[in-house]
Amino acid sequence: EPEVTQTPSHQVTQMGQEVILRCVPISNHLYFYWYRQILGQKVEFLVSFYNNEISEKSEIFDDQFSVERPDGSNFTLKIRSTKLEDSAMYFCASSKEGQGTGELFFGEGSRLTVL
Amino acid sequence: QKEVEQNSGPLSVPEGAIASLNCTYSDRGSQSFFWYRQYSGKSPELIMFIYSNGDKEDGRFTAQLNKASQYVSLLIRDSQPSDSATYLCAVFPGNTGKLIFGQGTTLQVKP
Repeated sequence: EPEVTQTPSHQVTQMGQEVILRCVPISNHLYFYWYRQILGQKVEFLVSFYNNEISEKSEIFDDQFSVERPDGSNFTLKIRSTKLEDSAMYFCASSKEGQGTGELFFGEGSRLTVL
Repeated sequence: QKEVEQNSGPLSVPEGAIASLNCTYSDRGSQSFFWYRQYSGKSPELIMFIYSNGDKEDGRFTAQLNKASQYVSLLIRDSQPSDSATYLCAVFPGNTGKLIFGQGTTLQVKP
């Protein structure tokens, strides 16, 4: 069964360092997303991406965050200068259709720990 | 602020019983409603989605939607210990592309 894959599964970094989280969405999906979940809290939307551009972003997704689809398969989330409060599980998701009408498939997540 | 509210639990039921999980949402214009299951340390996995008022059944799971009351529920029949997880209610408000999640209800099914 096709799945969304994410790397790394766990990354530890120092505050102020840049981090890139990578995702390979399901191949025939058109919509891509990043969500995050701080330990013990809700799953929160960060950004959605369609047709090679951001379609929506949340207030969390400030100038420190960026997303890119550098080739036909990868979808990346970059955090330019990490803060302690960026420590969370980051989930990539993809769907065939738009978010309101389609099923989101989530990757297993990348746990980011900022020291 | 659009909100999705769930009782965090834990909800404890004996094996074989019906588990009833509830969710309310604040945006009356919401269009699509989802139930995800999340095992500890794992990613959310979609169980059911429902768009219209009424019931939708899939195996042991039944989703119920009442838009007038802004209420969504998930019934799990013949609960199994493997159903023990956190169940996340998620709502697509319709005027935005983001799925809004509740904090989840932890279900414990005791053998």
